[in-house]
Amino acid sequence: EAGVVQSPRYKIIEKKQPVAFWCNPISGHNTLYWYRQNLGQGPELLIRYENEEAVDDSQLPKDRFSAERLKGVDSTLKIQPAELGDSAVYLCASSVAGTAGGQQYFGPGTRLTVT
Amino acid sequence: GESVGLHLPTLSVQEGDNSIINCAYSNSASDYFIWYKQESGKGPQFIIDIRSNMDKRQGQRVTVLLNKTVKHLSLQIAATQPGDSAVYFCSEGSNYKLTFGKGTLLTVNP
Repeated sequence: EAGVVQSPRYKIIEKKQPVAFWCNPISGHNTLYWYRQNLGQGPELLIRYENEEAVDDSQLPKDRFSAERLKGVDSTLKIQPAELGDSAVYLCASSVAGTAGGQQYFGPGTRLTVT
Repeated sequence: GESVGLHLPTLSVQEGDNSIINCAYSNSASDYFIWYKQESGKGPQFIIDIRSNMDKRQGQRVTVLLNKTVKHLSLQIAATQPGDSAVYFCSEGSNYKLTFGKGTLLTVNP
């Protein structure tokens, strides 16, 4: 069974430029999460989707970050414009609906460097 | 706000020894706790979880202990192997949300 797929794996951009990350969750997983992981820290939740609905986006900086999951499968996370402080690894995870946060399966992440 | 913290940022053990990684949490309402392993360049990988109504759970070479009285969680790895070298995160789960601590870097010396 394929795991969570993310692309690109690495991205280097200049500040004020836009950037987008893509995630394909495990087949059959209705719940999708985006996390940000700063160097030396644990992941922090940005947004959680149940199917195509964003049910928890309280930690998403909405002035520059946006996300979508139009058909309840793949998801895209966008930053526009990027700032130096956005440099981090952006992780996507998925789980079967109803597992209350446990058994989340993570992708390899996209390492973003903003210069 | 609530947080999940770890006692030690690094732990070095000899191959074959047992490892113990400790974690303190502050949210007494947490429903469950999960340990994740993260190798360099990879996403976190689920190891084992435990519900708040339990105090011990065993897996393959791993045991998680939960002490709700002092809000303490530990992960024990038996016969530690070089492949166990990674950062280990404890996380607290409630209301479909995971809160991660900073992690402990486990280094296994041959």
